[in-house]
Formats: sequence, structure tokens, C-alpha cells
Amino acid sequence: DSGVTQTPKHLITATGQRVTLRCSPRSGDLSVYWYQQSLDQGLQFLIQYYNGEERAKGNILERFSAQQFPDLHSELNLSSLELGDSALYFCASSVEGFPGELFFGEGSRLTVL
Amino acid sequence: QQPVQSPQAVILREGEDAVINCSSSKALYSVHWYRQKHGEAPVFLMILLKGGEQKGHEKISASFNEKKQQSSLYLTASQLSYSGTYFCGTEGMNRDDKIIFGKGTRLHILP
Repeated sequence: DSGVTQTPKHLITATGQRVTLRCSPRSGDLSVYWYQQSLDQGLQFLIQYYNGEERAKGNILERFSAQQFPDLHSELNLSSLELGDSALYFCASSVEGFPGELFFGEGSRLTVL
Repeated sequence: QQPVQSPQAVILREGEDAVINCSSSKALYSVHWYRQKHGEAPVFLMILLKGGEQKGHEKISASFNEKKQQSSLYLTASQLSYSGTYFCGTEGMNRDDKIIFGKGTRLHILP
């Protein structure tokens, strides 16, 4: 158990819909990272927050957005969903702003039908 | 830029050694290695910082050649528990807080 909690674990929805994935980092960790994992692309970096502020952005689609709240939990919002958005979405946390050891949650598996 | 890992997949018998390589086209500040077992989250193995250091973790060690922007992960006397997908992640010299992971190397250990 990494201490990082992600909900929901599984989500099935239809194209065009919007979903929100939630992540609670380990106690004391200020940084939250979001990654998308699909079969052929490995772990794709989406976005990072540190203490409530956006710190780094990867290849995150405009249809996707995220935020980190004052209690440090984070939410990843995915809208106008397409079939290709089906993937495993991981949240990871670390203590500091600069990448150190990342603690990954168990992921949220999104299936878009 | 996504680092390139090789090989894509390896099948070994228990007790054999393996090397997984990771190379980047950009200057690196650090290289991170993670292992992901099927159906589980990635788990941290080690970080190597610029300076060409080598680190060890049980029978798993790694090296980082910053001049070549390459890192290698060495698994010696592999055990069944080593099976999984190994990812290298790289952090650029501008320390822009991103860890970019390669596509992974699938390692399968046979008894």
C-alpha cells in the first residue's frame, strides 16, 4: 500500500461524457502527478501540481483538466470522452516539488464505450 | 522526448542475468527506475543523479552515463519475483519537474 488513494478504481462511460478522477496523496506529500497508461504508450505524463499550483504540464489534451485543492487532494477531469481515452490513469505523489521517489496509487481504469 | 528502452521484452530462466537499457536524446539530470507487476501500480526502484553513479538494490543495480545520456539496469541471478515491466524515467537538466517514462521493458522469469 503506497498510501496514495485513487477513486474510482473502475469507470465505464460513453463517448462524449465527462468524468472526474480523484486522488488523495500520501500524508505530507505536496506534489501530485497524473499519468495515463495505455498498452502501447507506457506511462504518459499529463500534469503535476505542487502545493496547489500547477508546476509542469505534459501532453495533456485540452479536453482534460486538473486541479489540486487546499487539502492537497487532486482531481483529473476528462470531458468529451473518446474511445481513445480508455486507459489506466495513475496518480502519484512525492514529498517535494522536484521529482524524487514517486508513490503511485492503484490507478483508475477508464473504459469509454 | 520519451526515452527509448531496449529490449522491449526479455524472457529468462531463474538465475540468469538481464540488462535493460535506457537512452535519451537530451541531457539528463536524473534517471529513475520503476517496476510494475501485472495489474499493480509501478513501484520505485532507484534514482540515479548526474555524476555517473551506480546504485544497487538487492541484486538489482543500475548505472548512469550522463555523457551518453544512457542508463542501464542490471538484474543478476534473477528471481521469479523480478517478473514485471521495468520503466525508466528521465528528468531533464532544466529540472522542469517532469519525469518522462519510456515504454517499458517486459521481463518474464521462467522457473
